Amino acid sequence: GQQVMQIPQYQHVQEGEDFTTYCNSSTTLSNIQWYKQRPGGHPVFLIQLVKSGEVKKQKRLTFQFGEAKKNSSLHITATQTTDVGTYFCAGTRRQGSSNTGKLIFGQGTTLQVKP
Amino acid sequence: KAGVTQTPRYLIKTRGQQVTLSCSPISGHRSVSWYQQTPGQGLQFLFEYFSETQRNKGNFPGRFSGRQFSNSRSEMNVSTLELGDSALYLCASSGTGTGGLGELFFGEGSRLTVL
Repeated sequence: GQQVMQIPQYQHVQEGEDFTTYCNSSTTLSNIQWYKQRPGGHPVFLIQLVKSGEVKKQKRLTFQFGEAKKNSSLHITATQTTDVGTYFCAGTRRQGSSNTGKLIFGQGTTLQVKP
Repeated sequence: KAGVTQTPRYLIKTRGQQVTLSCSPISGHRSVSWYQQTPGQGLQFLFEYFSETQRNKGNFPGRFSGRQFSNSRSEMNVSTLELGDSALYLCASSGTGTGGLGELFFGEGSRLTVL
């Protein structure tokens, strides 16, 4: 079953509003990656976080990795119609001192932006 | 640099048949992962190959199998197709040697419909 949970499943916002999607794992992750999939397209890599408490920004996008390395968030400031798509988090679970090597995806959050 | 190429893009099969999907990774990438994407389940990890060896495997029945050739091209096979196997099958390659820690470059996918 899914080991990385992502919420919400859907989000509709007015253009200009902010948007946040959350990713949670019951186990410690070695890393967290974020992907964006446009309608009809394939997932495209956005970013990877590996350090506890890490925060990275890409223009209007802010990514955070929790202190316990079990959760992450993606925040978009002032959404635009070009932000439409499904955002996936993906993490590799730790197993002892190493990682499992399996990149497991959350179910994704589909963002709709009303102009 | 050419991206990840998957063939065929679309195919229709009937229950009980088998199917083989092909994936050519980005030149120089030795890791190839396969994911099944369905509306209800998101991206489910099938398996990962690295240098012709299956390095990781997801929780799919034995009807799902794969292999990787010396040129890093990969194939996956699904035997005795069931209606529930209808999905978009995504292949992704990575240039990182450590499983789960590198950026995945996805192909456009092979959309399988089982009737």
